[in-house]
Amino acid sequence: KNEVEQSPQNLTAQEGEFITINCSYSVGISALHWLQQHPGGGIVSLFMLSSGKKKHGRLIATINIQEKHSSLHITASHPRDSAVYICAARSNTGNQFYFGTGTSLTVIP
Amino acid sequence: EPEVTQTPSHQVTQMGQEVILRCVPISNHLYFYWYRQILGQKVEFLVSFYNNEISEKSEIFDDQFSVERPDGSNFTLKIRSTKLEDSAMYFCASTDRAAQNFGAGSRLTVL
Repeated sequence: KNEVEQSPQNLTAQEGEFITINCSYSVGISALHWLQQHPGGGIVSLFMLSSGKKKHGRLIATINIQEKHSSLHITASHPRDSAVYICAARSNTGNQFYFGTGTSLTVIP
Repeated sequence: EPEVTQTPSHQVTQMGQEVILRCVPISNHLYFYWYRQILGQKVEFLVSFYNNEISEKSEIFDDQFSVERPDGSNFTLKIRSTKLEDSAMYFCASTDRAAQNFGAGSRLTVL
């Protein structure tokens, strides 16, 4: 069973498009993380949120605790945004993380 | 900017051999993690470590795995007797309870 589900699995967009990646989780969480994994494999943390909304540059992350759902939005997408975006939920019963399978984003110039 | 460093970047070993993967977390961080990513699959949680002891571990983290913080700076993952299915990228991360900082990963290939 997957505690964290992401959609879509793959996404291709034209440069400049607005992008949304969705994450649903079935476990109780203390925080939800959005991560970016580059083609070389390195992982960068984009956001950690437990409620509401956070914004950093062209990236926006939202979470709805009642619906157990989070979204990552990218405004004015750019080819350098091409990466795998991963949703990870930190359990509220301990210090364990559950990962989604990732969304592979390709932004075409 | 401080970063998490991992060594080696790539290790090739024979099945049955012991492997130690090393991580140097960010110095003022208190929480440390090991994750595994088998090629083409999702990242999986292995273990979290706080206050010099394991705080949580997954089903994957069985008796062949162990973690240590031997000298107050390094954080190691030991695999006692490697199996073919241990071939993966292993990521270390540390945090001060905010966002996690990931190392670049150690790729383990078991032959």
